[in-house]
Amino acid sequence: AQSVTQLGSHVSVSEGALVLLRCNYSSSVPPYLFWYVQYPNQGLQLLLKYTSAATLVKGINGFEAEFKKSETSFHLTKPSAHMSDAAEYFCAVSDPGHGSSNTGKLIFGQGTTLQVKP
Amino acid sequence: KAGVTQTPRYLIKTRGQQVTLSCSPISGHRSVSWYQQTPGQGLQFLFEYFSETQRNKGNFPGRFSGRQFSNSRSEMNVSTLELGDSALYLCASSLMLSATDTQYFGPGTRLTVL
Repeated sequence: AQSVTQLGSHVSVSEGALVLLRCNYSSSVPPYLFWYVQYPNQGLQLLLKYTSAATLVKGINGFEAEFKKSETSFHLTKPSAHMSDAAEYFCAVSDPGHGSSNTGKLIFGQGTTLQVKP
Repeated sequence: KAGVTQTPRYLIKTRGQQVTLSCSPISGHRSVSWYQQTPGQGLQFLFEYFSETQRNKGNFPGRFSGRQFSNSRSEMNVSTLELGDSALYLCASSLMLSATDTQYFGPGTRLTVL
């Protein structure tokens, strides 16, 4: 069964510093991986996704993530943090379901709250 | 194009009552999924619908049910509410039922059970 682990429930960085949010997955089949962001009192917004094309995926707002099969990781990075990046970030893996069934079901990590200090 | 809409945004109910939440997907999207978000359990999959049929169900008791209409709009119902049902309920829609399709989330319905 698929699972996702996000290391660090809280990450604090200074404005302009590198952002690194860690995500490791467990999957018995090639995974599809996603990063979502959630601002207070809002739903989830997709930042980027990996669906077995290029291993370095670029997303919105300057974020990118690299799929590393050997490390079973999909860490999210941004070179320079902005105050507006403060939010909760979720890594997710899609569950391919059983047999030939299609499904959009996502399995989420516990989330990482990013704090950006001025 | 309008995003996923959920109504109501906030609900307060008492134990034992039932509640119905509504979700309107993005126009043209045929798949709708529901998730429960709580501080303790995080984001958990409830169920997903495609072409008016439930295709997948998470590990929730039978008090949680849902349906999808011919226009792809979806409702979920929780009967005999318990305190532990207090949560943010998120609906997501996608074009098709596929593991690679992007799920677009609505703002959620915040349910408080007293």
